[in-house]
Amino acid sequence: GAGVSQSPSNKVTEKGKDVELRCDPISGHTALYWYRQSLGQGLEFLIYFQGNSAPDKSGLPSDRFSAERTGGSVSTLTIQRTQQEDSAVYLCASSLWGGEEYFGPGTRLLVL
Amino acid sequence: RKEVEQDPGPFNVPEGATVAFNCTYSNSASQSFFWYRQDCRKEPKLLMSVYSSGNEDGRFTAQLNRASQYISLLIRDSKLSDSATYLCAVNPGNQFYFGTGTSLTVIP
Repeated sequence: GAGVSQSPSNKVTEKGKDVELRCDPISGHTALYWYRQSLGQGLEFLIYFQGNSAPDKSGLPSDRFSAERTGGSVSTLTIQRTQQEDSAVYLCASSLWGGEEYFGPGTRLLVL
Repeated sequence: RKEVEQDPGPFNVPEGATVAFNCTYSNSASQSFFWYRQDCRKEPKLLMSVYSSGNEDGRFTAQLNRASQYISLLIRDSKLSDSATYLCAVNPGNQFYFGTGTSLTVIP
């Protein structure tokens, strides 16, 4: 079956521009996660959605970052007024509650 | 204290060697445990779940020690293709916590 998909796969933007990253989770998965990973670093948790509960936003690094999940499925991560330090791979993952996470291929963001 | 602690390595081992990684977790209520493999510039991929009774998949064995709050991954007869970063993941019921990953290089 289809796995987690993310788009775009690569994004180059100029400092100060807004970007939107999209994640399509595995159908039926109730939990959706966003992570950020810089080159050679570990996974940095950003935000977590579980069903209809309020999302856990505790990992968002600043108020320039926001995410939503519409209809319990597709999620969009928005970064406003991008900065060079936002350059990283943004990974989305989904799971059934308590089950293993499956990751998408990621979006490589480069802010010039 | 971090939720999950993992030795970053690197581990450089010859082909055929046996290598083991450990990962400690802080939340004693954790119920779900996993090992992931991440290749360079790729996303993490699930390697195996870790069950209370331990589980084995070919050359890979995962074990859970609840008393000491750690999970382990043992790789026997290492292959060149095992070279990757191995991440542990722990879910205490609300969200996943990942270790920073252990780098393994298998040398010919």
